[in-house]
Amino acid sequence: QSGLTQPPSASGSRGQSVTISCSGLSSESTNYDFVSWYQQHPGSAPKLLLYEVSKRPSGVPDRFSGTKSGNTAYLTISGLQADDEGDYFCGSRTGLRDFERIFGGGTTLAVL
Amino acid sequence: QLVESGGGLIQPGGSLRLSCAASGLAVSFNYMSWVRRAPGKGLECVSIIFSDDSTFHAESVKGRLTISRDNSKNLVYLQMNSLRVEDTAIYFCARGYGSSAFDVWGQGTTVTVSP
Repeated sequence: QSGLTQPPSASGSRGQSVTISCSGLSSESTNYDFVSWYQQHPGSAPKLLLYEVSKRPSGVPDRFSGTKSGNTAYLTISGLQADDEGDYFCGSRTGLRDFERIFGGGTTLAVL
Repeated sequence: QLVESGGGLIQPGGSLRLSCAASGLAVSFNYMSWVRRAPGKGLECVSIIFSDDSTFHAESVKGRLTISRDNSKNLVYLQMNSLRVEDTAIYFCARGYGSSAFDVWGQGTTVTVSP
């Protein structure tokens, strides 16, 4: 179903950092920074954390950061907090002239 | 904000129409989408409607689900026909942002397709 690949789970201790990968991006997606990241808590709507690889919407703390390398994007969460537990999804589009928006399969983050 | 409605329990082959009511934003802005999350699965963008009224539907729903909107009522719809068990999911309405992201999401409405 999902076009991008994420690890199914990740974990880290409070105060530490964790990085989640998202692979399978198209060359156009990486050239044009078509990468976004979302956080979803159980029973809630997804929340946009990052867009265009590393840009944060208003209100998202700078503990959340994004990078890319080749066809893989990365989300790093520093200073882990208990409330960071949840599911994280990357999103992109298949190409510059393509309408399709795709997501990764999601990574469930546990904060120990 | 976005508020979805219209979900429910339906038998395979049945039809539903989901609605997404927008306040504080215009549904004619950029693009609006329906994104679903099936139990135990990830997010899937099933339908998009763009500012020029062009639409996109994922292969998994093409010919069965149709997105539309009423700019005068600030509503987005998802007409769902010939529903299948695999369409069971929470359906979220989301506003497009930039070239590929979604910045405003509704709380979702649950569609359960079961005999």
